[in-house]
Amino acid sequence: AQSVTQLGSHVSVSEGALVLLRCNYSSSVPPYLFWYVQYPNQGLQLLLKYTSAATLVKGINGFEAEFKKSETSFHLTKPSAHMSDAAEYFCAVSPGGLISNFGNEKLTFGTGTRLTIIP
Amino acid sequence: NAGVTQTPKFRILKIGQSMTLQCAQDMNHNYMYWYRQDPGMGLKLIYYSVGAGITDKGEVPNGYNVSRSTTEDFPLRLELAAPSQTSVYFCASSPMGLEMINEQFFGPGTRLTVL
Repeated sequence: AQSVTQLGSHVSVSEGALVLLRCNYSSSVPPYLFWYVQYPNQGLQLLLKYTSAATLVKGINGFEAEFKKSETSFHLTKPSAHMSDAAEYFCAVSPGGLISNFGNEKLTFGTGTRLTIIP
Repeated sequence: NAGVTQTPKFRILKIGQSMTLQCAQDMNHNYMYWYRQDPGMGLKLIYYSVGAGITDKGEVPNGYNVSRSTTEDFPLRLELAAPSQTSVYFCASSPMGLEMINEQFFGPGTRLTVL
């Protein structure tokens, strides 16, 4: 079974400061990992995904995440926050398809982190 | 492509009424999902489908039903609405190719209030 934990339900950063949103996962097999963003009154949109290729993954809007197996982490970062980054961010996990075809039909989502940008 | 579309955007129901939330996708994705999102609770999976004619329960299926007669459509039926079903409902679809990467594409959501 897979699970994700997002540390910090609310994070505030100043405009131009580093954004760091934390995600730790638990998985019995090598996972696939995803970050989604949800802007107010909208559906979720994929930011980036890790699928066992490069451990440093670059996504849209200047975000990136690094898969660290030893720390079971997949933290999301952006060097310089912009006002338009204010949103809710969700980490999600599924079993990696290269090892197992079971369980991939569902994603397990974290409870989300609301990012506020201070002008 | 319109992507994943959901109707209606908003709905208010009285306790005991029934309704169907519509979801359609034009990307020829085989997998489709229904989630509900409550404040601070993240997304909870209600039902999902891995192809036309095949559906399965998720984490919170009670009070809901689904059907999947075509690849494109995946309606969610609420029978005997209850205040506990007040939520925002999201439909999603995924292409799920040979590498089994479950990248999901979401609709804009339906905000349902049961009074």
